[in-house]
Amino acid sequence: DAGVIQSPRHEVTEMGQEVTLRCKPISGHDYLFWYRQTMMRGLELLIYFNNNVPIDDSGMPEDRFSAKMPNASFSTLKIQPSEPRDSAVYFCASSWAGRNYGYTFGSGTRLTIV
Amino acid sequence: GQQVMQIPQYQHVQEGEDFTTYCNSSTTLSNIQWYKQRPGGHPVFLIQLVKSGEVKKQKRLTFQFGEAKKNSSLHITATQTTDVGTYFCAGRGRFGAGTRLTVKP
Repeated sequence: DAGVIQSPRHEVTEMGQEVTLRCKPISGHDYLFWYRQTMMRGLELLIYFNNNVPIDDSGMPEDRFSAKMPNASFSTLKIQPSEPRDSAVYFCASSWAGRNYGYTFGSGTRLTIV
Repeated sequence: GQQVMQIPQYQHVQEGEDFTTYCNSSTTLSNIQWYKQRPGGHPVFLIQLVKSGEVKKQKRLTFQFGEAKKNSSLHITATQTTDVGTYFCAGRGRFGAGTRLTVKP
């Protein structure tokens, strides 16, 4: 199993541009999570899906952020328009049977907004 | 909402010394998970505790879940340089701030 796959690994974008982060969860996992990690705020849960349906998006910072999961093998996190304060490492994680089992994290996308 | 607090924020030890990190939740948890993140890496799942008062061991690592299921600890005996990293507890998908461990050879 290739694990959770995220792309791109690194992204540098100018402020105001649209950014799209992508995630392929582990096959068979029915939960998918998006996290943001910064020194100041640590690991923040942004949103999670169960069977492709968004369950809790209370961690999404504001309307500039949106996430979709069109099928069981793909999810996107979009920021439009991007701002310098969005700079962070964004992790995608997946798990089976929700929070009762460990999450498998992807390698993350290091996003820099200049 | 639910918060998971973790202390200490940093811990620097001499190789061979013990290390402990503590986690407290503002609400009762059905389970608690522990993760390790190496510098520049991603969090890696270590273990999940489910039962009140549960104690689990993985070699030199000992994990405990409090009787009230609101606190937990991770203890490492005789640290090694390979233990370097940040240790996180997590409950209901929410992560503590982590304890960053550095080990001096």
